Amino acid sequence: DVQLLQSGGDVVPPGGSLRLSCEVSGFTFSSHAMTWVRQAPGKGLEWVSAISARGIPTYYADSVRGRFTISRDNFKNTLYLQLNSLRDEDTAVYYCASYASGSRFSGGIGWFDRWGQGTMVTVSS
Amino acid sequence: DIQMTQSPSSVSASVGDRVTITCRASQDINNWLAWYQKKPGQAPKLLIFAASSLESEIPARFSGSGSGTDFTLIISSLQPEDFATYYCQQAKIFPYTFGQGTKLEIK
Repeated sequence: DVQLLQSGGDVVPPGGSLRLSCEVSGFTFSSHAMTWVRQAPGKGLEWVSAISARGIPTYYADSVRGRFTISRDNFKNTLYLQLNSLRDEDTAVYYCASYASGSRFSGGIGWFDRWGQGTMVTVSS
Repeated sequence: DIQMTQSPSSVSASVGDRVTITCRASQDINNWLAWYQKKPGQAPKLLIFAASSLESEIPARFSGSGSGTDFTLIISSLQPEDFATYYCQQAKIFPYTFGQGTKLEIK
């Protein structure tokens, strides 16, 4: 069975750091680009970041560029999101997801068919 | 960035009803549009990709259409499990953007 198992969510003070993980099983992780999407409480979905199957290139939303870093370990079948300089507005449930077959990451074309269960990040003093 | 605007923001309907949700992009995105269903406490679920292609194992009562800037999601006969929030996503170019969501509620 396909599984994206997320971990790492926590309560952190403003300015703090956190690393989220997404461990994949049930499909060939190293063949798929991956992404992070978040949902703040009571708000809609917001795309955060994406990474190619090989690890470069990477892309970021303006709201997180320079503070968040996406990475992956294809030997450990794990996707990461390093969150630094956290702000109140980063409070959200963070989801990892895989690019669906038929997407073309290199052309910027992407939709997401397999998702993690989500992990809550709360930025609060 | 490409702005995605959904309408309505919310809709009340009954089991068996036909529901139409629209999504407008601020610029031409060809057919690079996806639709997702989101329920509280659950991850989003991909319903439609490339504007009109039905994702595997999604019931045929869901359908999508459109190209360019105007898109539509239709649920032909609502079932109890369809009450949720629906989001469109432009899939053409970074940064990807979502519509604000359409909450489908039971009448």
